[in-house]
Amino acid sequence: DTGVSQNPRHKITKRGQNVTFRCDPISEHNRLYWYRQTLGQGPEFLTYFQNEAQLEKSRLLSDRFSAERPKGSFSTLEIQRTEQGDSAMYLCASSSELSTEAFFGQGTRLTVV
Amino acid sequence: GEDVEQSLFLSVREGDSSVINCTYTDSSSTYLYWYKQEPGAGLQLLTYIFSNMDMKQDQRLTVLLNKKDKHLSLRIADTQTGDSAIYFCAEREDSSYKLIFGSGTRLLVRP
Repeated sequence: DTGVSQNPRHKITKRGQNVTFRCDPISEHNRLYWYRQTLGQGPEFLTYFQNEAQLEKSRLLSDRFSAERPKGSFSTLEIQRTEQGDSAMYLCASSSELSTEAFFGQGTRLTVV
Repeated sequence: GEDVEQSLFLSVREGDSSVINCTYTDSSSTYLYWYKQEPGAGLQLLTYIFSNMDMKQDQRLTVLLNKKDKHLSLRIADTQTGDSAIYFCAEREDSSYKLIFGSGTRLLVRP
């Protein structure tokens, strides 16, 4: 297992288009998190899954954002009608119920033009 | 409310020790973390400390925790040019396990 994997690494899209990102967590990890990081800032929490259940969503997650984890393994984050303010690095992390450590993927950098 | 604060920038000479400081507000946080981020990359977990500990050492890294003052520090001994990166401290919210991050400290190691 090579760790948390995110695809694509980079995405450039026109304003108003929809985009979808994928995260494959470490295989035995049942917790999965999405964070957003803008330039010069630390990551900000977006949402959290335990298995397939989405247990918490940040107020940052507007109704244009939706995240799923249908089989409790990989997760997708979709942004509809993208805006320039959505430009950021989207980070996925996973952790095990028995562990205190959360491991991050390399992120997907979104640029909305 | 939740807030984690760090100084923005630190410059040290290669071979010296670096000390990166952080203050946090949630006294109920059980775990506190240090992550490293290199340009264009994700976050690498460096170390973490349990809130009932005062100190944790891991090779060149030493974490000090002052729970009374809600102050966390990361000391890097014998700092190398490869240590140049942004360092984030984070507290874990125990109800959801989400991490609350500071804005990061950019460490520059001069040859």
